[in-house]
Formats: sequence, structure tokens, C-alpha cells
Amino acid sequence: RKEVEQDPGPFNVPEGATVAFNCTYSNSASQSFFWYRQDCRKEPKLLMSVYSSGNEDGRFTAQLNRASQYISLLIRDSKLSDSATYLCVVTPGDNFNKFYFGSGTKLNVKP
Amino acid sequence: GAGVSQSPSNKVTEKGKDVELRCDPISGHTALYWYRQSLGQGLEFLIYFQGNSAPDKSGLPSDRFSAERTGGSVSTLTIQRTQQEDSAVYLCASSRISGSDGYTFGSGTRLTVV
Repeated sequence: RKEVEQDPGPFNVPEGATVAFNCTYSNSASQSFFWYRQDCRKEPKLLMSVYSSGNEDGRFTAQLNRASQYISLLIRDSKLSDSATYLCVVTPGDNFNKFYFGSGTKLNVKP
Repeated sequence: GAGVSQSPSNKVTEKGKDVELRCDPISGHTALYWYRQSLGQGLEFLIYFQGNSAPDKSGLPSDRFSAERTGGSVSTLTIQRTQQEDSAVYLCASSRISGSDGYTFGSGTRLTVV
């Protein structure tokens, strides 16, 4: 079983839509969680950390559900510039420095 | 430096040749990581360095792959006797000691083995 699993998509949504991605992880002892964004042929860039209490950054909201072992990313009022692949990242419980990346969920925001 | 610097940005090599990829992490970042990403695939962990500790080499796919980090800063990933399946983007990242702030990636080296 993979450490981190994501729906590859693509999610095709119109501008202004709200879209949500989920990501499941297998290790219940996982400690740190992140969402990264990767544009085509570019390196991944940190979008936001995911805190136990949930956190919001502008149009982006991240949630953690430890009981069900998933994290989510909600994007409100989608912009064309949000089109990218969103990577879910988890650290195993015994090593904060070894990140496991999901394969990513592709988002296409259409005019 | 201001960001993670990788060189070369692109490398085309013939099957069977050795290649060296270089990573210069952000100044002050003690942790350095190598990942690779094949076309349309997720990131595959290769190796991790933390300060003066022994590196975590658990992700290296074969003994043709090796990496070193000199003086706790610059790192070199070496692939010997390259194969076509080694073609990928090799990404280096660095972080502060705990990694709790996430990684910062370099722009990668695109390796093509022909």
C-alpha cells in the first residue's frame, strides 16, 4: 500500500468554482502534513502546511482528519492561475525529515 | 544563496556513461534531499543528508547511484553506467534542521539517457 494516495484527476472546473481534493495516508503515526503545488515542468513549491486545527490562507483551506487518516485542500473562487498539480505530503511518524509525496491531483480551471 | 541551485539544468548522456548532478542548498539549511520525478509520475525519494549524521540512502534504486555532501553544504549525486530508465528530473531540496517548515526545491536537472 502506498504511503500517500491521491486521486490523479484531472479536475476540470470553471473559474469561480469551489473545488476540494482529498489525500489519504497509511501511517497513523504521521506527524507533519503539507500541500505543495507543481506547475508543468517546474519544481514543487510549498502551498501550505496542514495543522491539526485546520488552517486557512486566503482562498485556500486545509483540513486534517486523523481518525480517518486524510487531509483535504479546498480552493474557493478558483482562478485560471490555480491550474496546476497539487501534491499531498506526509512525514512518517519516526522521521520528520523524510517526506512522502503523493502522485498529485491535476486541476484545470477553465474560463 | 537565496534559493536551492542545481546544475546542470539539462543533461543528455549516452547509455553507459557516468553523470554527476550538483546541488547547492540554501545557506543555513542543514538538511538536503534528493528526489527524482519521472514523466507524469510522483516524486521518488532517493537520499537524505542531515548535518554530520550518516545519510539515509534507503531510496537509492541501485548501487549505480551514490551521493555525497561535502562540508555540510554542496551535494553531488552520481549515476554510474546510466540506463535509459534513469531518465527523469532529479530534484534537490533543502530545509532547516527539523523539516517542519517544509522543503524548498531547486529547479531540477532534467536527465535524458539516449
